[in-house]
Amino acid sequence: GAGVSQTPSNKVTEKGKYVELRCDPISGHTALYWYRQSLGQGPEFLIYFQGTGAADDSGLPNDRFFAVRPEGSVSTLKIQRTERGDSAVYLCASSLTGDGAYEQYFGPGTRLTVT
Amino acid sequence: RKEVEQDPGPFNVPEGATVAFNCTYSNSASQSFFWYRQDCRKEPKLLMSVYSSGNEDGRFTAQLNRASQYISLLIRDSKLSDSATYLCVVPCTERGNNRLAFGKGNQVVVIP
Repeated sequence: GAGVSQTPSNKVTEKGKYVELRCDPISGHTALYWYRQSLGQGPEFLIYFQGTGAADDSGLPNDRFFAVRPEGSVSTLKIQRTERGDSAVYLCASSLTGDGAYEQYFGPGTRLTVT
Repeated sequence: RKEVEQDPGPFNVPEGATVAFNCTYSNSASQSFFWYRQDCRKEPKLLMSVYSSGNEDGRFTAQLNRASQYISLLIRDSKLSDSATYLCVVPCTERGNNRLAFGKGNQVVVIP
């Protein structure tokens, strides 16, 4: 079946611009996670959705980052006033539930480059 | 102390040899652990789960030492296709969301 998909696969933007990154989770998965992976590092947690609500946004680095999941399926990560330090691969993962009973499946990621 | 620590390597391994590496974790209450595999410019994929003392799957063996808070991964009879980064992962449950805490990863390069 279809896995987690993310668009765009690559995004190059200028410093100060606004970007939106989209995640389509596996159908029926209620839990959705966003992670960020910088070069040479493991992925770092950003935000977790259970259904439509952001149950834990403790990993968002600052208020320039925001994410939504209005219908409990597709999620959009929004970054305002991008900075060069935001350059990274943004990974989305989904699982059937958020209680740890099921595997998290990752999408291919969006590679964001801020020039 | 970081939640999960790994020595990134790289680990250059002759084809057919055995390679092993560890990771340490900080939360003594953690109950489950994972090894993920990540190929270059690809997403992480689950390799093995470790729930008790260890787990074995073909050429791969994962072991857990709760007293010393480390997890190891051993790869026997290395194949060229084993070249990848192996990420040690510990779910964090304190907020009830099971977010994954990743180590930096161990980069393995199998050499012909």
